Amino acid sequence: QQQVKQSPQSLIVQKGGISIINCAYENTAFDYFPWYQQFPGKGPALLIAIRPDVSEKKEGRFTISFNKSAKQFSLHIMDSQPGDSATYFCAASLTSAYSGAGSYQLTFGKGTKLSVIP
Amino acid sequence: NAGVMQNPRHLVRRRGQEARLRCSPMKGHSHVYWYRQLPEEGLKFMVYLQKENIIDESGMPKERFSAEFPKEGPSILRIQQVVRGDSAAYFCASSPAQGAYGYTFGSGTRLTVV
Repeated sequence: QQQVKQSPQSLIVQKGGISIINCAYENTAFDYFPWYQQFPGKGPALLIAIRPDVSEKKEGRFTISFNKSAKQFSLHIMDSQPGDSATYFCAASLTSAYSGAGSYQLTFGKGTKLSVIP
Repeated sequence: NAGVMQNPRHLVRRRGQEARLRCSPMKGHSHVYWYRQLPEEGLKFMVYLQKENIIDESGMPKERFSAEFPKEGPSILRIQQVVRGDSAAYFCASSPAQGAYGYTFGSGTRLTVV
């Protein structure tokens, strides 16, 4: 099974600091890399996503950095706030241009529990 | 515009009982996916359905688990003769077309087997 490895497992950051979560993937055919945010008792919600034709994507305080040659991508949360405390999952998939199983399955990392302390 | 609706939110079953989990996709979405999340783990794909068709059930255990998405009504994930190892959060996602980028997840059903 194709894997996505995520680190760290947990992260404590002071309010206003930068949170960085890293993921590495194996399947070079993956071409869609979303990050999901999950609060306790809730389902994962799409936060931001990137395709490998760009090396960085920024939306507000959230930035994805993508390194295709290293098969790694990371989430940076700038000016972290207590309300950002949640579990973050990276994932990977193929887009629907490829009609196989990879085009609808998301392969998830194991998650990072982020705690932002005041 | 309601999102993906899952019920029940919490379900407790004794070993050997049956569990039925329901998922109503977002309006206009005809593609449904079920994922299982074990404690301290990421979500794992179980099954992909379109109306009246199972497209891919490769992630579902061969025994005791089944899924359906009838022409009318919600998608159902059914677990027969539950065991303690079935305790997990089960999430449903829907999309308007085949493709992971269109996913919207529901809030999940937390199944506890006692």
